[in-house]
Amino acid sequence: QVQLVQSGAEVKKPGASVKVSCKASGYTFTGYYMHWVRQAPGQGLEWMGWINPNSGGTNYAQKFQGRVTMTRDTSISTAYMELSRLRSDDTAVYYCARDRGYTTGTTTSYYFDYWGQGTLVTVSS
Amino acid sequence: SSELTQDPAVSVALGQTVRITCQGDSLRSYYASWYQQKPGQAPVLVIYGKNNRPSGIPDRFSGSSSGNTASLTITGAQAEDEADYYCNSRDSSGNQAVFGGGTKLTVL
Repeated sequence: QVQLVQSGAEVKKPGASVKVSCKASGYTFTGYYMHWVRQAPGQGLEWMGWINPNSGGTNYAQKFQGRVTMTRDTSISTAYMELSRLRSDDTAVYYCARDRGYTTGTTTSYYFDYWGQGTLVTVSS
Repeated sequence: SSELTQDPAVSVALGQTVRITCQGDSLRSYYASWYQQKPGQAPVLVIYGKNNRPSGIPDRFSGSSSGNTASLTITGAQAEDEADYYCNSRDSSGNQAVFGGGTKLTVL
């Protein structure tokens, strides 16, 4: 069965960096894009970007450009999301999510069929 | 525009039907997907594509789309359906994802 298992909670000081991992199992890791989504306390879901585990190619939301780096290690089927220059408003639960997509006629459907359990990152001095 | 707009809150009486909507220009080109999130849990996919339910999602959940509006309908809402619901799609390029602001569903 497909599973995405994320690393544990982190507490960081402002200005530091955090690296969250997402270990995939139950499917071919390189066959599906991996996205990262975060959720601040009491807020909605916010898309951060994706990585193509096959090529290593990435695409980041403009808001995070220059601060986020998504990488992967195909030998251990693990994706990583590193966020630098942390601020207090980066306090959030960070999720990885597997991407699926298909086209029917002229309309395309993308969706996230599996999610990690989430990793709480707390930024506090 | 890559924004998706949802009503912040909706309520429904137990056993009645409720529709949650999501508006955005990108929905003319891409189907929305819908996610249910309960407190302290990761989001769960409930509808994708034209009107597809993943295995394990009750058939009281259905989806539809018209123009720039996607809808999630729960027919015969149950107490366990009380949750936040988010729509998701792509921007006009298809390269970036976007979420709606979420709708808090209360089952009365």
